[in-house]
Amino acid sequence: KQEVTQIPAALSVPEGENLVLNCSFTDSAIYNLQWFRQDPGKGLTSLLLIQSSQREQTSGRLNASLDKSSGRSTLYIAASQPGDSATYLCAVKEGTYKYIFGTGTRLKVLA
Amino acid sequence: GAVVSQHPSWVICKSGTSVKIECRSLDFQATTMFWYRQFPKQSLMLMATSNEGSKATYEQGVEKDKFLINHASLTLSTLTVTSAHPEDSSFYICSAFGTGATDTQYFGPGTRLTVL
Repeated sequence: KQEVTQIPAALSVPEGENLVLNCSFTDSAIYNLQWFRQDPGKGLTSLLLIQSSQREQTSGRLNASLDKSSGRSTLYIAASQPGDSATYLCAVKEGTYKYIFGTGTRLKVLA
Repeated sequence: GAVVSQHPSWVICKSGTSVKIECRSLDFQATTMFWYRQFPKQSLMLMATSNEGSKATYEQGVEKDKFLINHASLTLSTLTVTSAHPEDSSFYICSAFGTGATDTQYFGPGTRLTVL
């Protein structure tokens, strides 16, 4: 059974810092991995999607990497801003449709 | 991008009543939709996969008689929580893949259910 874990569970950093969020999964047979952002009481916003054949994806200040063989992904956020404060979730896609979500990292960027 | 809406955004009901939550794909057709629940400070847990025109597929441990799912059209899936109890209070989120687009999931804004 696939299990997805995110470390750290919570993170508080001063504005401007570069930071790394970690995601690990137990079964490397995945189709893709997606990083999401969730604001309190809100739905999910897709940030980056990495196909199983890809190593990384970039969007603005965000960079996500994938090492499928070791079951790891990282989300790198450059020059963090207070507006980046949210919960970040990673999810791995199994089969045609099914996503398994990680436990999430609650990020707070202090002004 | 594709838009998924949910209605209502929040609902409060008395214990023992039933509550229906709608999930709509606004600008695309969704042959498959998904229902998740999320407890406070926890991640999303897949409850069931809703397939247009056929029965939903429920995840292990999810009571299908309690959480009724109907996907009657390519743009609408409904989740009915029957005989709701306080332990059913949660944040319910739906998502969808469009026809021919099976990589990116589009999520609804969620529905906060509080059962008194």
